[in-house]
Amino acid sequence: GAVVSQHPSRVICKSGTSVKIECRSLDFQATTMFWYRQFPKQSLMLMATSNEGSKATYEQGVEKDKFLINHASLTLSTLTVTSAHPEDSSFYICSASKGEDGYTFGSGTRLTVV
Amino acid sequence: QQQVKQSPQSLIVQKGGISIINCAYENTAFDYFPWYQQFPGKGPALLIAIRPDVSEKKEGRFTISFNKSAKQFSLHIMDSQPGDSATYFCAAYLWGKLQFGAGTQVVVTP
Repeated sequence: GAVVSQHPSRVICKSGTSVKIECRSLDFQATTMFWYRQFPKQSLMLMATSNEGSKATYEQGVEKDKFLINHASLTLSTLTVTSAHPEDSSFYICSASKGEDGYTFGSGTRLTVV
Repeated sequence: QQQVKQSPQSLIVQKGGISIINCAYENTAFDYFPWYQQFPGKGPALLIAIRPDVSEKKEGRFTISFNKSAKQFSLHIMDSQPGDSATYFCAAYLWGKLQFGAGTQVVVTP
């Protein structure tokens, strides 16, 4: 089956530093990857859609300069949280798509900014 | 604005009972309706999905019922087990994106 690997699973960083989260599709090529943010006991909020080789499309209200997304290959997308602040602390989840039937989610990254 | 409305917010069911979660949508252009199961600290995992031209789909203890005219669909978990305790999200697919419901936390008591 389709497997999406997300790393790291947990990260603690100091306020003002940047953090990179990786999302890899291990056994399929993902032309599209998605990044979500999830607050405790809430639903998944789509942050951006990334297509291999092109700029990411950000949802309304998401700061593209703060959340940098790179989709350099068909198996790797990265999310970099720049100049992180405590309010950026959240659970970040990626998903990779082969089409509407093929949404596979990563295991998530718990980011804590201190 | 939540395009997919999910209820209840939480649910407690005894082992062996039936868990029922309901979702409603407005946009008739949605053409694929998956359900996801999420455990604490993990990403969602696809449980079962249905297309609007099918009224029911069953996979093991999980059944989706779909009412196209009412724009509603529901997940039934039969013979609920403690291992089913998780948060369940309904979703609807349109134009390459999934719209998620708010989620239902299900607790199955022994």
